[in-house]
Amino acid sequence: SAVISQKPSRDICQRGTSLTIQCQVDSQVTMMFWYRQQPGQSLTLIATANQGSEATYESGFVIDKFPISRPNLTFSTLTVSNMSPEDSSIYLCSVGGRATDTQYFGPGTRLTVL
Amino acid sequence: DAKTTQPNSMESNEEEPVHLPCNHSTISGTDYIHWYRQLPSQGPEYVIHGLTSNVNNRMASLAIAEDRKSSTLILHRATLRDAAVYYCILRDVTSGTYKYIFGTGTRLKVLA
Repeated sequence: SAVISQKPSRDICQRGTSLTIQCQVDSQVTMMFWYRQQPGQSLTLIATANQGSEATYESGFVIDKFPISRPNLTFSTLTVSNMSPEDSSIYLCSVGGRATDTQYFGPGTRLTVL
Repeated sequence: DAKTTQPNSMESNEEEPVHLPCNHSTISGTDYIHWYRQLPSQGPEYVIHGLTSNVNNRMASLAIAEDRKSSTLILHRATLRDAAVYYCILRDVTSGTYKYIFGTGTRLKVLA
């Protein structure tokens, strides 16, 4: 299993600013994933972040809006840039290894944009 | 990506069994069936997964249809703590991406 922490747990931000969310894992993992969960909705995958390579973004998400860093095997950041109220969501990171393994999810970061 | 279809919501009485269905008619031979649940204000947590055979663990059982086009998550005795959104997800082991594509899930309400 893996224990994942996220910082901050929640934040309230002003329109036009940026917020960087941190994801820390207690063990080395190959793959990390970032999800967005809009109010009352399911999870939507933003991107896959592997250490040593650029993140792979899903359709509808772009690097300029959601830049991701993956400096080592236990840490990643997601930045939500130039925020608007539509970015108000819960952002979650998860880690997973082999295809048949489970994924472990962080507790999420609840973002409110005014 | 293969898709799953689940009822939006279900109700169960406490201490009774719950059968949560999932349809995945476009499943491929290399897709694993994973179930996760999300308790209020938490990230999703793993419940169970399988490929072809039925699976049991301490949390639940997974019954997979012979043609693999549907599956059922079985909670043997629902408790109030089992109230959550349950997601049925297909995961392709050959794509190399290992990503999950979440569907809408089933919101389970447990009545005391």
